[in-house]
Amino acid sequence: DGGITQSPKYLFRKEGQNVTLSCEQNLNHDAMYWYRQDPGQGLRLIYYSQIVNDFQKGDIAEGYSVSREKKESFPLTVTSAQKNPTAFYLCASSMGTATNQPQHFGDGTRLSIL
Amino acid sequence: AQSVTQLDSQVPVFEEAPVELRCNYSSSVSVYLFWYVQYPNQGLQLLLKYLSGSTLVKGINGFEAEFNKSQTSFHLRKPSVHISDTAEYFCAVKEDYQLIWGAGTKLIIKP
Repeated sequence: DGGITQSPKYLFRKEGQNVTLSCEQNLNHDAMYWYRQDPGQGLRLIYYSQIVNDFQKGDIAEGYSVSREKKESFPLTVTSAQKNPTAFYLCASSMGTATNQPQHFGDGTRLSIL
Repeated sequence: AQSVTQLDSQVPVFEEAPVELRCNYSSSVSVYLFWYVQYPNQGLQLLLKYLSGSTLVKGINGFEAEFNKSQTSFHLRKPSVHISDTAEYFCAVKEDYQLIWGAGTKLIIKP
């Protein structure tokens, strides 16, 4: 079945450590997104990518980095510069950012601080 | 810039009763609207979407929503809820390259 796979499901970070969240899709979608979800808030966009080897900052990109070396993969690194990283992180994909087709989501990664 | 307001953070309702979850967006020339559902510790699943055409949109799991341009609303309804509908529901509007999200409404089903 086509879909989006996020791993790991749970992740713990120590002070000063960078951690990388994986996101893989087999939907042949061009566009991919990373969101952060905090309790009582909607989703906030961290980064998005419209095509391989290209990505743009979203509303809350500080303390995060991404890469898009392959169409299927869009990993997110939470750096030590992100002082409040505890949240639920969601990866999504769509046929393209210019279309009105919906975004499809993975099951998320919950990141906590040790 | 668009904004989305979900007026209720929680909606408690008895099983088999009808429910309406409210969503208002800021005005725009044309809008593309979505409702998503999130079950605990899972990602979001598309319930329904409004792109154009009929203002009454039917989705999965017996949900429907009505697009009201004059009131800038896109309320979600279900005539009879089931315990399995317990989840958080998010309304979103498309703007340029991204979706603008409401804060979510938790639907609590009382037995």
